[in-house]
Amino acid sequence: NAGVTQTPKFQVLKTGQSMTLQCAQDMNHEYMSWYRQDPGMGLRLIHYSVGAGITDQGEVPNGYNVSRSTTEDFPLRLLSAAPSQTSVYFCASSYSPGQGAGTEAFFGQGTRLTVV
Amino acid sequence: GNSVTQMEGPVTLSEEAFLTINCTYTATGYPSLFWYVQYPGEGLQLLLKATKADDKGSNKGFEATYRKETTSFHLEKGSVQVSDSAVYFCALRNTDKLIFGTGTRLQVFP
Repeated sequence: NAGVTQTPKFQVLKTGQSMTLQCAQDMNHEYMSWYRQDPGMGLRLIHYSVGAGITDQGEVPNGYNVSRSTTEDFPLRLLSAAPSQTSVYFCASSYSPGQGAGTEAFFGQGTRLTVV
Repeated sequence: GNSVTQMEGPVTLSEEAFLTINCTYTATGYPSLFWYVQYPGEGLQLLLKATKADDKGSNKGFEATYRKETTSFHLEKGSVQVSDSAVYFCALRNTDKLIFGTGTRLQVFP
């Protein structure tokens, strides 16, 4: 059971470049989300999804796009990277309350992104 | 709206000392409450949880009690070890979103 898998683990981008952070889970979780972690700021929610075909904005969505075509995958796209997007990104998944199971989230190992 | 407030760190303790990390929350309805731990270079792991008022979550010697009257979920451990050094996050979940506090770094010295 792999849990939540994020790739890549490290990435350096130049300003203006685009890239996609991958996230996959094999636990049949309906709920998936992306966070960024910055010093002194804790984890801030970027986007989340409550099921395939449904996405919504979190606290800091600007500069990021997401899609959810399958239950398993929830990629995060940076269309034009900026230095302010230098951060550590975490993907998380969990059962939705409606799935009737525990609602704790499971996290990937993170992607450390540097934009120069 | 929903929010979580944690005490700022770092918290520096000697081995075998008593630990308290304060956490208070603001939420509508009846959220579930969580403590997560993050070891250096790793993702977050669930440490313990409580889903209703007066529930006590416990794991690895850590405990926290869901206090609705004081909207608190303070983390405690009677005797910390060097291996407990990590960042601890308090979080709440109300419907779909999981909301985190800013985290508290714990440093335990031998």
